[in-house]
Order: sequence, then C-alpha cells, then structure tokens
Amino acid sequence: DTGVSQDPRHKITKRGQNVTFRCDPISEHNRLYWYRQTLGQGPEFLTYFQNEAQLEKSRLLSDRFSAERPKGSFSTLEIQRTEQGDSAMYLCASSPGTSGRADEQYFGPGTRLTVT
Amino acid sequence: GDSVTQMEGPVTLSEEAFLTINCTYTATGYPSLFWYVQYPGEGLQLLLKATKADDKGSNKGFEATYRKETTSFHLEKGSVQVSDSAVYFCALSWYGGSQGNLIFGKGTKLSVKP
Repeated sequence: DTGVSQDPRHKITKRGQNVTFRCDPISEHNRLYWYRQTLGQGPEFLTYFQNEAQLEKSRLLSDRFSAERPKGSFSTLEIQRTEQGDSAMYLCASSPGTSGRADEQYFGPGTRLTVT
Repeated sequence: GDSVTQMEGPVTLSEEAFLTINCTYTATGYPSLFWYVQYPGEGLQLLLKATKADDKGSNKGFEATYRKETTSFHLEKGSVQVSDSAVYFCALSWYGGSQGNLIFGKGTKLSVKP
C-alpha cells in the first residue's frame, strides 16, 4: 500500500492557460474523489468516480473543469482557461468502495495551483 | 443542505492539557461522522469515525461520540502532546447511496506548547 499520489505537487500558471493534474489512487480502491481546498477552509467536493464511471459532479465544477478516470485506475483533472479564482489546493482521495471500510477516504498530498 | 460547523481556532494549549474541539452537523437523517487531521506539510489523514448514533470512535488517545440528540461529534483528548499540533477537520458523509463525498467543516488549528 503506497498511498494516494498526486502529480505535480505544485503548479504555477498564467491566467488563461490550461493545466492538468494526475491522481494515482491506492491500487485496490474503486472509488476516487476530487476536492478543492482554499486557505482557511475545509475541502470542498468536486467530483467522484466509481471505477471509470463519473457518478457525481458538484456545481463547483464549472464547464472549464473536466475529469477522467480511464480504465478505472488513475484520474486526471483538467482546468481550461484558468482564472485567479482557481488558485487552491486540489486534493484526490480514494476509498475501497466495497468493504467494511468503504466509507473511509484516503487522501493524497494535494496539488497546489497558483494562477498568476 | 447538509453542513458541518466547527469551533473556530486557533486553539492553543499547554502539553498535557485536556482538549475539546466542538463539532455539530446539520443533516436530514443519520450520516457517518469523521474526524480528519492534517499535520504540517502532510495530507489529510482519517483520525476516527462513527457510523451510527451513540457510537464512539477512538484512535491515538482521541475520542468522539456520535450524539444524535445534539447533532454533535465533539473531539476530545485527555492529555495533548506537542506532536498533536495540527489542523483538525470534522466531516460527514452518506456512503451507501449514490453519493459518498465528505462534507467538511472549516477546520480547527491546534497548537500545543511544551
């Protein structure tokens, strides 16, 4: 169990550019979640996948945001035409989905995005 | 909608002091309740959970009891250590249905002085 990993850990981009983040969940976990956390706030839910199916999207996830999880393994979160308001920590979490600990989510270290 | 409210921080305590961090929730029904901890420079870690009323979650000397009468899940520890300094987040979820995402409070920063 190597834990949830995210790449990159930090990203600085200019307003209007596109960015893509990657999340590798714990290998046997079939649920994967994306959250966004701003300074002084708790994480806010963006979207989640059960295997490769995207089952829920928050209204926070504007049309500029898209997420994929091909083959039910790693996931990517893309933000198009970034805005300064997108600056935040983007967190990924995974959970077993089908065990006694199915409701426990394991978080990665996050990707800190700064839009200048 | 569902929400979680935590006491505002920061909370500063001396080593070996008693800790309480208050958490209340608003939800229709009985969600699962969690405490997560974020140590400096690290990711969120699950500290403890309770899935039904009157359940007590415990881990590393921390405890929290699911109180449906007061819709609360207060975090307690009898004797804090410097190493407990972190940000603590209370959260709820509705795992089992079509959703399963966590709804977090704003977090409470704890600083423990030697």
